[in-house]
Formats: sequence, structure tokens, C-alpha cells
Amino acid sequence: DAKTTQPTSMDCAEGRAANLPCNHSTISGNEYVYWYRQIHSQGPQYIIHGLKNNETNEMASLIITEDRKSSTLILPHATLRDTAVYYCIALKTSYDKVIFGPGTSLSVIP
Amino acid sequence: EAQVTQNPRYLITVTGKKLTVTCSQNMNHEYMSWYRQDPGLGLRQIYYSMNVEVTDKGDVPEGYKVSRKEKRNFPLILESPSPNQTSLYFCASSLWDRGSKETQYFGPGTRLLVL
Repeated sequence: DAKTTQPTSMDCAEGRAANLPCNHSTISGNEYVYWYRQIHSQGPQYIIHGLKNNETNEMASLIITEDRKSSTLILPHATLRDTAVYYCIALKTSYDKVIFGPGTSLSVIP
Repeated sequence: EAQVTQNPRYLITVTGKKLTVTCSQNMNHEYMSWYRQDPGLGLRQIYYSMNVEVTDKGDVPEGYKVSRKEKRNFPLILESPSPNQTSLYFCASSLWDRGSKETQYFGPGTRLLVL
């Protein structure tokens, strides 16, 4: 699976959009970009995933660059409850082994 | 509600006392997996199961056993726990989907302390 790199930490003001970047320059054509988050020692929570096209669901939007070497997770109106560690990973199938890197620690500031 | 449940959520035990952590999912998923999460080491896969009666070792299987007698349940057994198995454990499940329209769903975690 492709290696991903993310900033270690980010801050975002409550109510503003949080834009979390992820680089995956070695991603292969059949690997999906998945985003999970983990709120302090709770179970990892699935957010969104995509292959090529931008995706949106009730939680977030995922923007994938045309060359697929990077992506951005957008939380449109961040709340204090969005404070968590966010992980970007590349998986070929839904049952691939999940390996999280250090992720991005997002702090939403009142 | 679609979910993965684990029990117990917290457990303190002593070295050598056999224990079982249960995992159950109500989504009819074929694939189930156990991970442990330790500071600085991230998530590591212990065992996984592609379907009933099919289990395989992950990256750190030593000291653990699993069974998959029913589709919904995937218990993790520690026959003789040791302090180095003190960790946060997660169960996960997924449909067996090569097209990856699906994702893995994680349980809430079981925090285990072995004295």
C-alpha cells in the first residue's frame, strides 16, 4: 500500500472549514484514499473515501488532485467535537490491513 | 444500528489468567480483524478472518488465539496473558468488497491491563 504523509498538527477556529492535506505520491491506480479519525482512544471512525473523483457525504468532502498524488479532507463547519487525530491511508480493498501513520492532530479552537 | 461491539471495554487482569475479549457485528460482514494499538507503534494487526472457519495470522499473532464459528462473532483469546499484552484492542469488520465501495468499521475498543 502507498505511503501517505500528513502534517503533524493543525488548528482550526470553530465554525470555519478545516482543510486537512495528505500526500500520497506513490499511490497506485487501484488504491483508494480513505480517511478515518480517532477521538482520544475511541475506535477509529470512517469518514470518507474515494478513487479519482471528489466525494462528499454528511460528514466531509474529499478533494483528490487530478494526478491523484494528493488529497484534501474538508470539514465544512468544524465543531469542538471534530478535535481528533485524522488519518489518511491508501487501500486497494475494504478488507486490506489498516495501517495508520502518525496522522494529523486537529484542534478546533473555540 | 449498524455497529461492531466489543466486551469488556476495560479489563484489568493478572499474568497467566486466561481471558476472552468478544467482538460482534450486526452487518453480515464476511471479514473481521483484530488490531492492537500502542503509543508510538500505531495499529498492528493480530489476526483476521475472511469468513466463517477461515482465520489467518496478522503481524503480531504471538500469544493470541481467535475463532470464527459464526459470521457475526470473532472472539480474541489470550490463553496466558503477559504484561506486554497490555494494550488497546480494536475489532473491525468489513464486507468482502474488491471494488472498495465499502470500508472497515471499528469497534469502540477494549483497554487491557495485565499486571
